[in-house]
Amino acid sequence: DQQVKQNSPSLSVQEGRISILNCDYTNSMFDYFLWYKKYPAEGPTFLISISSIKDKNEDGRFTVFLNKSAKHLSLHIVPSQPGDSAVYFCAATSSVGGADGLTFGKGTHLIIQP
Amino acid sequence: EAGVAQSPRYKIIEKRQSVAFWCNPISGHATLYWYQQILGQGPKLLIQFQNNGVVDDSQLPKDRFSAERLKGVDSTLKIQPAKLEDSAVYLCASSLGIGELFFGEGSRLTVL
Repeated sequence: DQQVKQNSPSLSVQEGRISILNCDYTNSMFDYFLWYKKYPAEGPTFLISISSIKDKNEDGRFTVFLNKSAKHLSLHIVPSQPGDSAVYFCAATSSVGGADGLTFGKGTHLIIQP
Repeated sequence: EAGVAQSPRYKIIEKRQSVAFWCNPISGHATLYWYQQILGQGPKLLIQFQNNGVVDDSQLPKDRFSAERLKGVDSTLKIQPAKLEDSAVYLCASSLGIGELFFGEGSRLTVL
């Protein structure tokens, strides 16, 4: 049973436009959410995170929105650049207890078209 | 600051053979994780260490997988005997606490 779902395996966006990547979760215990970016043959790298006490977090071109009632979060990239082409993973964890390993979605392959 | 180091980067073995992967986390990071990433999937947590103690190994197939972090620094993950479905990238990550994990480049295993 997937607790973190990314239903779009791929997304193609024109350079300069907004990229919106979506993520849904089912576990009500999750209270901290992260986005990771992965290039081929490299490990995932941290992009941005959000705590459940917030509904928005912004860092430069990247903004993450959290809708707790819908158990949904999204990553907005504005404007999209060619270097943003990568696989994006949504991840979640619970701050309760010591086992805080991240649960990942399957990823969305973002392709920025010139 | 040096990142998470992993070796080997690539390994090809036949089924029923054994293999070991090594990870050296970022200096000072008490928490170390091993993840398995099968092609087309997201990383799946295998085991989490806090210093040299196991915090979570609920998803580790203990009949064939083992991991240790004896001195609370570097760690090894072993598979014995390997199965075809173990073909994956094995990612090591470390962190100071809840939140951002720093990943290594991964060790790609192919089981023939």
